Formats: sequence, C-alpha cells, structure tokens
Amino acid sequence: AQKITQTQPGMFVQEKEAVTLDCTYDTSDPSYGLFWYKQPSSGEMIFLIYQGSYDQQNATEGRYSLNFQKARKSANLVISASQLGDSAMYFCAMKEENSGYSTLTFGKGTMLLVSP
Amino acid sequence: NAGVMQNPRHLVRRRGQEARLRCSPMKGHSHVYWYRQLPEEGLKFMVYLQKENIIDESGMPKERFSAEFPKEGPSILRIQQVVRGDSAAYFCASSPGTVGMRELFFGSGTQLSVL
Repeated sequence: AQKITQTQPGMFVQEKEAVTLDCTYDTSDPSYGLFWYKQPSSGEMIFLIYQGSYDQQNATEGRYSLNFQKARKSANLVISASQLGDSAMYFCAMKEENSGYSTLTFGKGTMLLVSP
Repeated sequence: NAGVMQNPRHLVRRRGQEARLRCSPMKGHSHVYWYRQLPEEGLKFMVYLQKENIIDESGMPKERFSAEFPKEGPSILRIQQVVRGDSAAYFCASSPGTVGMRELFFGSGTQLSVL
C-alpha cells in the first residue's frame, strides 16, 4: 500500500485565491512527522511546512498552513492568496519515528499552476 | 552558512560509463541521504550515511551503485556502467542528526542523463 497518496496530479488556481493540495498517509507508527516540499521548475526541493503527529495545533508558515486531520490520516496543504511564483510541483512526505532514521517517504506530487 | 552543495548540476554520460555525483552537506551536518527522482515521480530514498559509515542502503540497487561519505570531503554516489534507466535527478540531503530533526536540507540535485 502507498504510504503517501496525493490524488491530484494537477491543480489550477487563479492568482490571489486559496488552494488546497490533498495528502493522505498510511502508518501504524503512533509517532510520525509530515512535511510539504515545493519543487519549482529549476528542480530544487524547498521545505515549506512540518506537522508532528502529536502537535495539538495545525502548523502554519506564512501563507502556508497544514490542515491536519489525524483520524482521517490526511495532511492537506493550504496556500492562501496564491501568487504566480507558487506554480510548482508540491510533494507531501512522511517520516515514521520508528524507522529510526531520518528517511522520508514521498508522494508522487501535485503540479500547481497559478494563472493571472 | 552555505546550504547543501551538489555538483555537477547536470551530468551526461553514455551507456557503460561511470557517473560520480558529489554532495557536500551543510556545515555541522554529519548525516547524508541520497534520493532519486524518476520523471513524474516523487523522491525515493536510496542510502543514508554518516561519516565513514553506511547506515541504511536498503533503497539502493545492489549492483552498479555505491555510496561513500569519507572522513574528509564530500559524499559520493557512484554509478558504474550506467544504463538509460539510470537517467534521473539525484538529490542529496543532510541533517545534523536524527534526534529532534524536523526537516532535511536538500541540495539542488544532479540531473543525470544517459545517452
């Protein structure tokens, strides 16, 4: 079974609107962390936001927020007030603490296109 | 404080040649991870190294691929006798340790193209 599932291969949004990118995960480990990365066309991986499984509040970083629904095992990324520079691939990833190492499992990504 | 440095950014090899990819972790980081990204896929873990030790190579193909992280110098991912299927982006990431780590710091990747 897929550990990280991103069901949206592509999303379109108009500038200044909000957009939600979906991510569901599968783990039996009670302790885990969820990450979102942005990969622009230049190729680098840019860390956006992190949510720990025991965090009481949803993570926020500027225009990025993580809608964490633990019972549903979902960790959707919300980007408010989209900008043209937000056009990129977005990857959801998970680290299971019992894996012992800092290895991340990535989803297949969602391509976000922001139009003027 | 320089980030994770990978070189070269682009590498072209013919089938059967060797590819060497370099990664210098962030200053103070002693843990290095290599990931591979095939076209239209997410990153897949290959190998995790600490200085002079391979900790986990469960994601690395058994043949033709090897990795090292010597006491001095960058980490090297080596692919011998490359084939077209090795064409991918190879990312290196580093962290200061495993305890309390919240994120990995990624390099910009090396795009390997095999002709």
